[in-house]
Amino acid sequence: AIQLTQSPSSLSASVGDRVTITCRASQGISSALAWYQQKPGKAPKLLIYDASSLESGVPSRFSGSGSGTDFTLTISSLQPEDFATYYCQQFNSYALTFGGGTKVEIK
Amino acid sequence: QVQLVESGGGVVQPGGSLRLSCAASGFTFSSYGMHWVRQAPGKGLEWVAFIRYDGSNKYYADSVKGRFTISRDNSKNTLYLQMNSLRAEDTAVYYCAKDVVEMATYFDYWGQGTLVTVSS
Repeated sequence: AIQLTQSPSSLSASVGDRVTITCRASQGISSALAWYQQKPGKAPKLLIYDASSLESGVPSRFSGSGSGTDFTLTISSLQPEDFATYYCQQFNSYALTFGGGTKVEIK
Repeated sequence: QVQLVESGGGVVQPGGSLRLSCAASGFTFSSYGMHWVRQAPGKGLEWVAFIRYDGSNKYYADSVKGRFTISRDNSKNTLYLQMNSLRAEDTAVYYCAKDVVEMATYFDYWGQGTLVTVSS
């Protein structure tokens, strides 16, 4: 199965900071990558699909980039509601996989 | 609006069985692939299984292959997960999730989850 490695596993940031999370695939997956946000006790929420397409209703401060094996999720100006855990997920193969997650905490 | 409501979770002994259900509404259920995704307490997300819109293809994570069976009843707008030979490591919140198309890609809607605890 394709493995996804997210980094960092956690980070502390302040409101207004620019935050970047990376996701590296163990083999090339073209642009078959999605990003999700999960808050405690809640189901994940789709943010980005096809590596860089913004899901409807998601604020424009979220953006995704990358293709092949290296991907990034960027939050341009962190807001209080953005403190959560973020996961990447690949759909290049039928054995779907998630990254280990990145917890974004308040500094 | 799209709603996915899981049920059937609970406490089961190791080696036991459980069947989860997911009632779908607010979209044409028979047109979309569906998934089960789980999350062990304090851990990350793990994809479990997928079923194509018409039930013609099913895929499983290696960790559950041969023990879990995904199925669907399009006449009842319901997704199922039959879990046999349960192990302690199967303890998790199980989410059903809707795919954006009929194949296995990514998830645009999720249920609230149902907790399965495997313990003696």
